[in-house]
Amino acid sequence: EPEVTQTPSHQVTQMGQEVILRCVPISNHLYFYWYRQILGQKVEFLVSFYNNEISEKSEIFDDQFSVERPDGSNFTLKIRSTKLEDSAMYFCASCRGSSGSAPDTQYFGPGTRLTVL
Amino acid sequence: AQKVTQAQTEISVVEKEDVTLDCVYETRDTTYYLFWYKQPPSGELVFLIRRNSFDEQNEISGRYSWNFQKSTSSFNFTITASQVVDSAVYFCALSGNTGNQFYFGTGTSLTVIP
Repeated sequence: EPEVTQTPSHQVTQMGQEVILRCVPISNHLYFYWYRQILGQKVEFLVSFYNNEISEKSEIFDDQFSVERPDGSNFTLKIRSTKLEDSAMYFCASCRGSSGSAPDTQYFGPGTRLTVL
Repeated sequence: AQKVTQAQTEISVVEKEDVTLDCVYETRDTTYYLFWYKQPPSGELVFLIRRNSFDEQNEISGRYSWNFQKSTSSFNFTITASQVVDSAVYFCALSGNTGNQFYFGTGTSLTVIP
C-alpha cells in the first residue's frame, strides 16, 4: 500500500541553523501539506501546496518557513533560522485532491522529530 | 471559525472494556468533513475514518464504531472490547468546504491496561 515517507526521522540542529525536512508524498496525490505537533499538544496546520504554489498557510507559517517541490516526487519544508520553539514533530500529508470543494482524506507520513538546541 | 474539542485528555480502561472517545466540533460551513486519526506511541498518524456532513449514518468497522450526530455537533468514537494495541492518542479532525486544511482536536490519550 502506498504511503507518505519522511526523512530524516529525527533531526537535531543548533538554534539559528537552517534545516530542510523532506517528504515523498503518495505518487498520484496532488495536494501536499505540512503540519507540526509540539510535544504533547495538538497537530497544527502549517501550509498546503497545490499546483506548485502555496494554497493556504497558517499564522505559524511565517517568513522563516518555505516549501518547495523541487522535482516530481519530493516536497520539502525549509526553516531558515531555527528557534528553540521550532522543536516539534513535523508531519507531511498528501491527498489525491478534491471533487469540487470536498476535501479528500489526507494521509500522513511518520513525521520528523526536530530538536533545536 | 472551525474548532474541534476533545474534552477527555486521558482515559484508562481495562482490556475488554468498551470505551467512547468524545469529539465536538464547531463550524459555519454547511458542508464539512470529520475524521479520526490514531497516533500510536511510534508517533505516526493513522487514518481511521472520514465522514461527510450529509451522512449521519453510524459506521461500524470491526471493533470500531462512530456515532455522528449533527444535532449535537458530535462525532464520537467507540472501541468495543478494547485491546492493549488500542493504546494510543486519538485525534478528531474537521475540514470545511472553504479550504482544505484540517483542524485537529487536542487528542485523547487512551491507555488499555492488560
